Amino acid sequence: AQTVTQSQPEMSVQEAETVTLSCTYDTSESDYYLFWYKQPPSRQMILVIRQEAYKQQNATENRFSVNFQKAAKSFSLKISDSQLGDAAMYFCAYRSGGMEGAQKLVFGQGTRLTINP
Amino acid sequence: DAGVIQSPRHEVTEMGQEVTLRCKPISGHDYLFWYRQTMMRGLELLIYFNNNVPIDDSGMPEDRFSAKMPNASFSTLKIQPSEPRDSAVYFCASSPGPSVGNTIYFGEGSWLTVV
Repeated sequence: AQTVTQSQPEMSVQEAETVTLSCTYDTSESDYYLFWYKQPPSRQMILVIRQEAYKQQNATENRFSVNFQKAAKSFSLKISDSQLGDAAMYFCAYRSGGMEGAQKLVFGQGTRLTINP
Repeated sequence: DAGVIQSPRHEVTEMGQEVTLRCKPISGHDYLFWYRQTMMRGLELLIYFNNNVPIDDSGMPEDRFSAKMPNASFSTLKIQPSEPRDSAVYFCASSPGPSVGNTIYFGEGSWLTVV
């Protein structure tokens, strides 16, 4: 079974600075997808960024980018120019890519990010 | 486009009562998921459907929980009888099949409090 581990329960960063959230995963599959979701106090789950395992290029969405290291099974999220609105719980998640794999999302434990003004 | 729609958004009920949570997935999505989130256990998958058929219900806590998907546009999660430990945020989510896209989209959640 696949597992996702976020080793940082809490992180904090000064506004306008850069912060990196860590995520590692374990799988024997070669075809899969990785995601970062943001959950603000409203509890809504908001997709931040996704990465296809077959793509070598790291995904980028505005101030958010990932460092995908497939061999190391590492998938970190970098937030540049942190803003107060970035304060939230961040979840790393894994999903199988092929029809044969389980189609559910497997989540990490989450990292609570605080932005200091 | 409308996202995943859940109802009710908030529910407070007494122990022993029946609770029904409802979900309308995004049109055209083949997969529907029910997740539960608590402080102690984080995000747990309860059950998911593919083309209205339950595929994996191993996360359903016990016989008090049941889920149905009578058609492609509607699903329910029922708890009967409810207990205080069922208090949680329940998320419904949907996604297209792997050949179309793999992003799972979440509803806003149903906050359940059982007193």
